[in-house]
Amino acid sequence: GAGVSQSPSNKVTEKGKDVELRCDPISGHTALYWYRQSLGQGLEFLIYFQGNSAPDKSGLPSDRFSAERTGGSVSTLTIQRTQQEDSAVYLCASSAQGAFTEAFFGQGTRLTVV
Amino acid sequence: TQLLEQSPQFLSIQEGENLTVYCNSSSVFSSLQWYRQEPGEGPVLLVTVVTGGEVKKLKRLTFQFGDARKDSSLHITAAQPGDTGLYLCAGTTGGTSYGKLTFGQGTILTVHP
Repeated sequence: GAGVSQSPSNKVTEKGKDVELRCDPISGHTALYWYRQSLGQGLEFLIYFQGNSAPDKSGLPSDRFSAERTGGSVSTLTIQRTQQEDSAVYLCASSAQGAFTEAFFGQGTRLTVV
Repeated sequence: TQLLEQSPQFLSIQEGENLTVYCNSSSVFSSLQWYRQEPGEGPVLLVTVVTGGEVKKLKRLTFQFGDARKDSSLHITAAQPGDTGLYLCAGTTGGTSYGKLTFGQGTILTVHP
């Protein structure tokens, strides 16, 4: 596709379960970012990938959160033992390399932990 | 931690009115970006400003980057119902070669016909 694609669009899970969120970036974009958007909190940076490596993981809130990227393309964000405070919209963005290049966002995955 | 304070949080105006949204920080940013987000969608970039004092205009939208690169504003002239949405400012920090963004909390704009 032409844009960043995220799946699923919505995910409802029970507290304590593991979830996987997927991001398909724009083809050729080497940089990939994950952000979290909570109600009233704005967007919060989670992790940055350059190719398959993650030089900046500083935003991951706990060791229950992990992410990987394979083939310089698809990325998966995994949350283990989900908690209610993990409920949020998880947004993925991709861009060409550089500090001022435009980031293109996916539509997000709305995660609800019940 | 570098923070961006965005104000106002909510703005409800009538069609044809002008408005300004502010984005302030105690930190210096190497660039400032403004995004607009519709419900159920990701943010979409409106503009990037990189030079202190820079002013950019996009039709009825005027963006300004402060001289010290710590603040920015978005001014909309003669607002229309189609301008309704969430407006976000976001900054990139110096010393990084990649586009890690620090976001403000956002301004929810509602323009009534």
